[in-house]
Amino acid sequence: GAVVSQHPSWVICKSGTSVKIECRSLDFQATTMFWYRQFPKQSLMLMATSNEGSKATYEQGVEKDKFLINHASLTLSTLTVTSAHPEDSSFYICSARDPLAKTQYFGPGTRLLVL
Amino acid sequence: GENVEQHPSTLSVQEGDSAVIKCTYSDSASNYFPWYKQELGKGPQLIIDIRSNVGEKKDQRIAVTLNKTAKHFSLHITETQPEDSAVYFCAASSAQKLVFGQGTRLTINP
Repeated sequence: GAVVSQHPSWVICKSGTSVKIECRSLDFQATTMFWYRQFPKQSLMLMATSNEGSKATYEQGVEKDKFLINHASLTLSTLTVTSAHPEDSSFYICSARDPLAKTQYFGPGTRLLVL
Repeated sequence: GENVEQHPSTLSVQEGDSAVIKCTYSDSASNYFPWYKQELGKGPQLIIDIRSNVGEKKDQRIAVTLNKTAKHFSLHITETQPEDSAVYFCAASSAQKLVFGQGTRLTINP
C-alpha cells in the first residue's frame, strides 16, 4: 500500500508551547489530507479536512485557532497545536487520500504529551 | 449524517478458527467501505476495502461482504494467526470523508 509518514512520532512539551506535526504522502500526490485524534481505546475522531491550497474544513467542536492546519503542497500537510495544554495530550493521526486509487492511507501517528 | 455501528467490541478466538466482525451504516449514499487494522501505538493500516458495486471481495485469508439493501458489511478472517491480534475498524464513506465504527479488539489465543 501507499506510504504516509508523520513526524515526529512522539513529542513531550510544556504547557503553553506550540507543537507542529508534519504529514507527508511519499509516493502519491494527495489533494486531500485528514487529521484525526484518537484517545485510548477509542475510535478515530476526525478533526479537519485539509485541501491543498485552500483553508481546512474543521469538524464541529474543533477549534480552528487551536489546531492550525496548513496544506501547502500536494505531499505535505502540517498540524500545529497552539498553546498546548494537558488536555491536548492524545494520539494524532493523519491520512492522505490517493486520488487515483480513491483510497485513504494513514500515517503512523504522533503521540503528544503536554506536561 | 452517516453513522456506523460495529460489533462486537471484543472478540476472542482460538488460533486457526475464523473471526467475523460486522458493521451497519445509516446513509444509503455511502459507496465505499474500507477495513483498517490498528496495532498498539501505530496508525491504522488498510487491509481490504469494497465498493458498492461489488458484493464480496477476498484477499487470501481476508474477505469482506456487503449487503447494500440491509446496509451492512462484514469482515471475515479465516485460519486466524496470533499476528491477527489487533483492533479492527470498519468505515463508510459517500464522499471523501470516512466515518468509523467503534472498533473491535480481536485476540487470537494460541
